[in-house]
Amino acid sequence: AQSVTQLGSHVSVSEGALVLLRCNYSSSVPPYLFWYVQYPNQGLQLLLKYTSAATLVKGINGFEAEFKKSETSFHLTKPSAHMSDAAEYFCAVSAGNTPLVFGKGTRLSVIA
Amino acid sequence: KAGVTQTPRYLIKTRGQQVTLSCSPISGHRSVSWYQQTPGQGLQFLFEYFSETQRNKGNFPGRFSGRQFSNSRSEMNVSTLELGDSALYLCASSPQTSGGTETQYFGPGTRLLVL
Repeated sequence: AQSVTQLGSHVSVSEGALVLLRCNYSSSVPPYLFWYVQYPNQGLQLLLKYTSAATLVKGINGFEAEFKKSETSFHLTKPSAHMSDAAEYFCAVSAGNTPLVFGKGTRLSVIA
Repeated sequence: KAGVTQTPRYLIKTRGQQVTLSCSPISGHRSVSWYQQTPGQGLQFLFEYFSETQRNKGNFPGRFSGRQFSNSRSEMNVSTLELGDSALYLCASSPQTSGGTETQYFGPGTRLLVL
């Protein structure tokens, strides 16, 4: 079975600062990993996904994530936070044909 | 292309009632998955339908059911509503079956409040 742990339910950064949202996964088979973002009163939107083609994955809105098998991690980063990045971020894992398993989410606040 | 649409967007029901939620996937998508989102439990998978057949089911009681029509539109039904069913219900569609590298596209959700 797969599982995802997102460290920190709430992260606060200053505008222009580095964004780092942590995700660790557990999977008995090679995983596929996703980051989704949810803005208030909206559904989830895919930011990026790891499909084993490259360990460093670039997504939309300047976000990227690096798959580290040895650390079972897939942390999300953005060099410079913008006010519009304030939202809830979800890491998710899939393996084989199993449904997506989501982490609990991390709420990102950006301070002006 | 139009995105995933869900109706209604908001719903208020009382305990014991039943409710039906509707989801129209992106045109050409054959898979529809449903999720329940609550502050305490986060996002939990309910079930997935592909070509009118239930392909996967999450760990929810039998009060939760769904179906998919030949045009890929899907409905989920919750009978005998309980207070704990209050949640945001999200629908997601994908071209093929979910899982693997398939990207799921989410609708805005239906917010259900049970009084």
